[in-house]
Amino acid sequence: ETGVTQSPTHLIKTRGQQVTLRCSSQSGHNTVSWYQQALGQGPQFIFQYYREEENGRGNFPPRFSGLQFPNYSSELNVNALELDDSALYLCASSLRQGGNNEQFFGPGTRLTVL
Amino acid sequence: QKEVEQDPGPLSVPEGAIVSLNCTYSNSAFQYFMWYRQYSRKGPELLMYTYSSGNKEDGRFTAQVDKSSKYISLFIRDSQPSDSATYLCAMSPLSYDKVIFGPGTSLSVIP
Repeated sequence: ETGVTQSPTHLIKTRGQQVTLRCSSQSGHNTVSWYQQALGQGPQFIFQYYREEENGRGNFPPRFSGLQFPNYSSELNVNALELDDSALYLCASSLRQGGNNEQFFGPGTRLTVL
Repeated sequence: QKEVEQDPGPLSVPEGAIVSLNCTYSNSAFQYFMWYRQYSRKGPELLMYTYSSGNKEDGRFTAQVDKSSKYISLFIRDSQPSDSATYLCAMSPLSYDKVIFGPGTSLSVIP
């Protein structure tokens, strides 16, 4: 059983650019959530995807968008990057079954916006 | 007032000590409560997952939830240097719902 993987590990962009981050869910999981973690803070929920549909969104602007693919892998896209977008971006996968909400996190992608 | 409050520490204890980590929350709709451990430059690792009020024990870790007081705790017995990390409490109102995290408590266990 493979865990959650994310790519790339690190990324440096300049303000105004666009970025795509990728996540492969843990085997057998059908739900993926994305979080933004600023330095010294807890993760903040961006959105969740279930069966390729967005299923809940946090307080993030529309320039944050996502996709989930039939194999349950996922992308996070951020347009018009701002300096405050510099953070660790985490994806978490889970299996929507019964009353289970256990989410398993990947190692994250560290994004720096200059 | 933030939805989830957690003392950021840092907390420093000698090896073998009992560690108590706590969070308070304001949203009475929260029903699922979690504790994650995060090592530097790594993703959070799920330690404990509980539903509603009560206690749950797993090895050296015990999680307590008191919904009437909106207060949750994680106890670590016989703490080890390898327990040095940031501990994040997290909670959600419904199964499959978004998870709200506290800011984390930094713990150092000194040999």
